[in-house]
Amino acid sequence: SQTIHQWPATLVQPVGSPLSLECTVEGTSNPNLYWYRQAAGRGLQLLFYSIGIDQISSEVPQNLSASRPQDRQFILSSKKLLLSDSGFYLCAWSPDSGTQYFGPGTRLTVL
Amino acid sequence: AQSVSQHNHHVILSEAASLELGCNYSYGGTVNLFWYVQYPGQHLQLLLKYFSGDPLVKGIKGFEAEFIKSKFSFNLRKPSVQWSDTAEYFCAVSLSGNTGKLIFGQGTTLQVKP
Repeated sequence: SQTIHQWPATLVQPVGSPLSLECTVEGTSNPNLYWYRQAAGRGLQLLFYSIGIDQISSEVPQNLSASRPQDRQFILSSKKLLLSDSGFYLCAWSPDSGTQYFGPGTRLTVL
Repeated sequence: AQSVSQHNHHVILSEAASLELGCNYSYGGTVNLFWYVQYPGQHLQLLLKYFSGDPLVKGIKGFEAEFIKSKFSFNLRKPSVQWSDTAEYFCAVSLSGNTGKLIFGQGTTLQVKP
């Protein structure tokens, strides 16, 4: 069966520091991959999606970037974190363009 | 731009009460519709989905939802809630034939009192 992992589970970082969040999927190949952010009291907002290695699309202008160096690995990064980057980051995968399956998430606090 | 609106942000019910959570979307084309649920301390998980066919879909744990195309709605229902239904519920829409990008509503927090 397929599983999705995210790490770290929680992270506290100072403003201006770099960021790297990792997401990996097991048990499938060539999945669509997605990064979402959930800010406090708000729904989930799609940040990036990828339909293949090195194929990344950005949905909103922001301080973050994404990369997909391997088929089942999706990385969310920032060179310099802002306070507004705080939130709950969710990675998701889909075998096609249908149902998405979500990881456990990373709670990021920027101080 | 496409959007999804959930009318109830916080709902409090007693056990055995009936539940209906509203969800409306704005998009004129063909859509796929989802309800996701996040129980305290757990992953976001799929409750039910509609792609095509019978507009009344049944999901896990006794939930169902009805797609009414003319009203752009996909309301979630359960005849009798349990304390274990306490969770946050998200309605989401993706555009058919797209890359599967989901547009989420703001979420509804359901609190069921025993």
